[in-house]
Amino acid sequence: NAGVTQTPKFQVLKTGQSMTLQCAQDMNHEYMSWYRQDPGMGLRLIHYSVGAGITDQGEVPNGYNVSRSTTEDFPLRLLSAAPSQTSVYFCASSYSFVAKDGYTFGSGTRLTVV
Amino acid sequence: AQKITQTQPGMFVQEKEAVTLDCTYDTSDPSYGLFWYKQPSSGEMIFLIYQGSYDQQNATEGRYSLNFQKARKSANLVISASQLGDSAMYFCAMREGNYGGATNKLIFGTGTLLAVQP
Repeated sequence: NAGVTQTPKFQVLKTGQSMTLQCAQDMNHEYMSWYRQDPGMGLRLIHYSVGAGITDQGEVPNGYNVSRSTTEDFPLRLLSAAPSQTSVYFCASSYSFVAKDGYTFGSGTRLTVV
Repeated sequence: AQKITQTQPGMFVQEKEAVTLDCTYDTSDPSYGLFWYKQPSSGEMIFLIYQGSYDQQNATEGRYSLNFQKARKSANLVISASQLGDSAMYFCAMREGNYGGATNKLIFGTGTLLAVQP
């Protein structure tokens, strides 16, 4: 049982490049979400999904795309990287809406855009 | 709209003492959940405790308890008998939305950095 797996752990991009951050969970969780963490700003929700085929925007969706074709995977795409997207990105999932056992987080991806 | 406020950017506590980390929230939804997470310097997010809006009693998990005051919209985390390993960033978070709806979002506060001194 791997939990929530994020790849890569580190990435350096040049401005204007595109890339996909991968998130996979093997817990049959319906709810998945992406956050970015910046100093002094906590974790901000980028996009989330309540099930395969259903996604919605969070607080800071601009510059990011998501899709949810399977229950297991929820990739985050950066369309044209900008230095403002330098951040630590976390993927999180939960089994149920109530999530009394909390959301399970991946270990994060540290992205630097130069 | 959902909002979570943590007004203490940083706190110090002596080892073995209790500490309270403040969290206030704002929502118009009667159904919501409140969470606390710990983020040590290694960066992982560790779930500590959960409180549902309809729960009658305050949640407790070992040395962690949640002081839930619904009318005041506060959900403070109390850590009893602090240990050096409790030094970390602590985040309060709230989930609101209806079962099966597309409004299920988990929103975080800006965090409180706790330093436990020997």
